Amino acid sequence: KNQVEQSPQSLIILEGKNCTLQCNYTVSPFSNLRWYKQDTGRGPVSLTIMTFSENTKSNGRYTATLDADTKQSSLHITASQLSDSASYICVVDSGGSNYKLTFGKGTLLTVNP
Amino acid sequence: EAQVTQNPRYLITVTGKKLTVTCSQNMNHEYMSWYRQDPGLGLRQIYYSMNVEVTDKGDVPEGYKVSRKEKRNFPLILESPSPNQTSLYFCASSSVSYNSPLHFGNGTRLTVT
Repeated sequence: KNQVEQSPQSLIILEGKNCTLQCNYTVSPFSNLRWYKQDTGRGPVSLTIMTFSENTKSNGRYTATLDADTKQSSLHITASQLSDSASYICVVDSGGSNYKLTFGKGTLLTVNP
Repeated sequence: EAQVTQNPRYLITVTGKKLTVTCSQNMNHEYMSWYRQDPGLGLRQIYYSMNVEVTDKGDVPEGYKVSRKEKRNFPLILESPSPNQTSLYFCASSSVSYNSPLHFGNGTRLTVT
């Protein structure tokens, strides 16, 4: 069964600090891995999409890494801001004609002043 | 502005009273999908559509119907809502081009009493 596991479930950090969120997956076949940010009560917004051949991808203060051999990904947030408080969702795309996505349950990040 | 629009944002109804949640996108996307999000369970796919008149079941389709008569619209129909369908619902769309991100609406919070 395809699964995406995220850790930790929740995290509290102080403004200005860095943090790393983890995503492990057992999805096959693999097409790409996506990270989304979801503010409370809003729809998720795409941060990055990484294919099999990409190890690192950045979007501003967000840097995602992918190790396709160990089936692990991380999302590193640098110099956190209060606006980074959100749920971060890891999603794996199996590709194929039916565009099958497997969602993780998310990591809830709280950034305190 | 490119967007996915869901209506209504909030809906309270009673068991058995048919309802429709509308979803419209202005990006000419082929792929559209409905998800429900419940605490501790993450996003789960209800139905999806790869193009006009092409729809298919996701992971939790029971109690829901969809239609795709036009490319831009993908309404979600609950013929006889029950309390276990109380949830936060998201519509999303995407191009079927490789590595295209999903664009989500801002959600519909449904309460069935």
